[in-house]
Amino acid sequence: GENVEQHPSTLSVQEGDSAVIKCTYSDSASNYFPWYKQELGKGPQLIIDIRSNVGEKKDQRIAVTLNKTAKHFSLHITETQPEDSAVYFCAASFGSGGSQGNLIFGKGTKLSVKP
Amino acid sequence: GAVVSQHPSWVICKSGTSVKIECRSLDFQATTMFWYRQFPKQSLMLMATSNEGSKATYEQGVEKDKFLINHASLTLSTLTVTSAHPEDSSFYICSARVLGGDGYTFGSGTRLTVV
Repeated sequence: GENVEQHPSTLSVQEGDSAVIKCTYSDSASNYFPWYKQELGKGPQLIIDIRSNVGEKKDQRIAVTLNKTAKHFSLHITETQPEDSAVYFCAASFGSGGSQGNLIFGKGTKLSVKP
Repeated sequence: GAVVSQHPSWVICKSGTSVKIECRSLDFQATTMFWYRQFPKQSLMLMATSNEGSKATYEQGVEKDKFLINHASLTLSTLTVTSAHPEDSSFYICSARVLGGDGYTFGSGTRLTVV
């Protein structure tokens, strides 16, 4: 089955700096890669996702890159702000539409942005 | 966008009692819902996949008689923790996949404390 590895487990940056979180996956059939932000005591919130037919996707300060050959994908947050502090999870799944499979999560990265 | 409402947000119960958690898709139909369990500072662990009108599929190691899942309609799935014990204390989160669409939407989670 699919296995998702996520690094680092903790990341501390100064406000304004960039943060990068990396994930690798094992199942080459996986084709959907979302990133979630989870604040304490709340459910995960989707912040960006990418499909395997795309190499990069950007939404304002957040970007995700995907390398299918190497089976890894990364989250990039630029100009970090204190409110970006949270736990970030990457995930992977296979399928499309009604046949989308289960999400397999990485172990999470606790991001701390220091003012 | 797709919204999943999860209730209650927190519950405290006595050992031996049962607790029901509801997960509703508010503005879309969800043929499939997922139930996760999350321990402090850990990732989300998939417990079961709930399909409307059929029996849930449980992950290995999850007791189906203890964690009863019912998905009676396209907008409601429930998780009942039966004969709860302190070790069942955890954060439970549901997720729904939009019918015919992409992506997953998560509920806000339920903090269960068994005393």
